Amino acid sequence: GESVGLHLPTLSVQEGDNSIINCAYSNSASDYFIWYKQESGKGPQFIIDIRSNMDKRQGQRVTVLLNKTVKHLSLQIAATQPGDSAVYFCAEAFSGGSYIPTFGRGTSLIVHP
Amino acid sequence: EAGVAQSPRYKIIEKRQSVAFWCNPISGHATLYWYQQILGQGPKLLIQFQNNGVVDDSQLPKDRFSAERLKGVDSTLKIQPAKLEDSAVYLCASSSGQGARYEQYFGPGTRLTVT
Repeated sequence: GESVGLHLPTLSVQEGDNSIINCAYSNSASDYFIWYKQESGKGPQFIIDIRSNMDKRQGQRVTVLLNKTVKHLSLQIAATQPGDSAVYFCAEAFSGGSYIPTFGRGTSLIVHP
Repeated sequence: EAGVAQSPRYKIIEKRQSVAFWCNPISGHATLYWYQQILGQGPKLLIQFQNNGVVDDSQLPKDRFSAERLKGVDSTLKIQPAKLEDSAVYLCASSSGQGARYEQYFGPGTRLTVT
């Protein structure tokens, strides 16, 4: 039978648009957050991280925003390209717990040429 | 730099059979992880090794799952006997565990189907 978790939240964008993927985390004690990209048939790939003493961190075409008040993370991808199509996971970790990340459910990003 | 290697890539077994997965981490990485990823969900940690010692195996179903990392390099994960709900992708990851940035490198995974 079909798994309850089969249908991921999906974001569809046009090539060249900016994408924003959101994530709510659960543990107030988490102080380290990571975004991963997972393409079909591959393992997750690290994109960018942020520590809880920061609100914003920028990488190449990506920006992560952290709002600790409401326990919310977002990943912004500028000028989205077809190669950005993948499932994106946020993960939270606690530095007092060996940095083992707990993954969220994931969002499927579909980029239309 | 070679990535994390896993084999086999795919495995189909019947319930109650046994299966084993192999992982070779990135050279020099002291920390190795096994994750279970059920379709449509994020990876869930099963076990973490630091060199050849277990750091965390709190989510490993020890009645049927076992893992070892002899000599602190390669690792194997075994399921015996398998159940239908074990159908998932089993991911291995490694990290150096050094520096201010914590970064895991994942292998391609082994897709297990239990029928």
